[in-house]
Formats: sequence, C-alpha cells, structure tokens
Amino acid sequence: DSGVTQTPKHLITATGQRVTLRCSPRSGDLSVYWYQQSLDQGLQFLIQYYNGEERAKGNILERFSAQQFPDLHSELNLSSLELGDSALYFCASSSRLRGAYNSPLHFGNGTRLTVT
Amino acid sequence: AQKITQTQPGMFVQEKEAVTLDCTYDTSDPSYGLFWYKQPSSGEMIFLIYQGSYDQQNATEGRYSLNFQKARKSANLVISASQLGDSAMYFCAMRLFMNYGGSQGNLIFGKGTKLSVKP
Repeated sequence: DSGVTQTPKHLITATGQRVTLRCSPRSGDLSVYWYQQSLDQGLQFLIQYYNGEERAKGNILERFSAQQFPDLHSELNLSSLELGDSALYFCASSSRLRGAYNSPLHFGNGTRLTVT
Repeated sequence: AQKITQTQPGMFVQEKEAVTLDCTYDTSDPSYGLFWYKQPSSGEMIFLIYQGSYDQQNATEGRYSLNFQKARKSANLVISASQLGDSAMYFCAMRLFMNYGGSQGNLIFGKGTKLSVKP
C-alpha cells in the first residue's frame, strides 16, 4: 500500500460531461502530481501542486483543471469530456520539492475513466 | 532533451530464470535519480528500486537489482528467479534535480516493457 488514496476507482460517463477525481496524498507529503495513462500516449504528466500552490504544468488540456486544498488533498476536474479522454488517471505524492531527485513518487491505484 | 528509452516492448522469461529489462536515459543534469516501477494488469504503479546518479554501487532490493552503467547512460533492471507474479508492465523513470520546462521533480517515464513469465 503506497498510502496514496484515489477515488473513485472507476468512472463511466458520457461525452460532454464533467467529472472530478480525488486524491489524498501520503501523510506528510506536500507535493501532488497528476498523470494520465492512455494506450497511445503512455504516462503523461499533467500538473503538479505543492502545499496548495500550482508548481508545474505538463500536457494538460485547457478543459482540465486541478487544485490542492489546505488539507493537502487534491482534485482533478475534467470537463467537456471527449472519447479520447478515456484513460487511467494517477495521482502521486512526494514529500520534497527541490532536490527531490533521490526519492520516489508514490502512486495511488488510479481512477479508470471511460467516456462513452 | 530529457528522455527515457525502453527498447523492448515485450519480453518472455521462463519461471525461475533471470531476466534483464533495458533502460537508457538522456540528460545533461549531473544529479538525477533512476527508478523502476511495476504495473500489474490490475493497474497500480508499484515502486521497485532506485539508483542515484552519484551512487557508486548498484542498487538491490530483494530479487531486483539495477545494473547502472553511468558512462553508457543505462539503468537496466535485473529480476532474478522470475515468478509468475512478476508478469506485468515495467517502467523505467528518471527524476532530475534541476527544473526543466517548469517541471519540478516530475518523473519522466519510458514507454514500458511488458514482461510475461512462462510456467
């Protein structure tokens, strides 16, 4: 068990809808990362938060947004969903920010999103 | 450019034999970490082993060892005495000290190698 909790595990929704994915990081971890894993694109970094502040953006669409709350849990909001948004969405957490190259990211079990 | 390359899309190994999964990396940052993750068919990402760029010795964790050849920029994962439960996708990843393109501590992943263990 990585200590990172993601809910829900599965989500099925229709095109055009909006969903929210939730992540609770490991106790003590201030940094949260969101990744998207699809068959054709592999693991893509979306966005990172550290102690409530956005710190880095990757290949995140404008239809997607995220936030990290004072209790450090994070939510990823996906709107105007398209078929191509179907993927496994991971949250990962880490305790450090700068110089953290020698510590792993700990991943949640992911949310599998299916857009029909 | 910062990049991880895994050239073996799929591999087969006989149960109880050893297998090596290849990983090469590209970075000009002298400080970096290399990681291997396992993703079973159930989907979760499991951290296996870590190697730092300044580590003199190869990392080992149980049946997992990392064959780190810095001059060749390779970080191959060796699994000894393969078990049926080792069948999974394996991802090599790199984490940098410096920030590139605004990425702070992000993991850069390879495309993965699917390992199948035969009984």
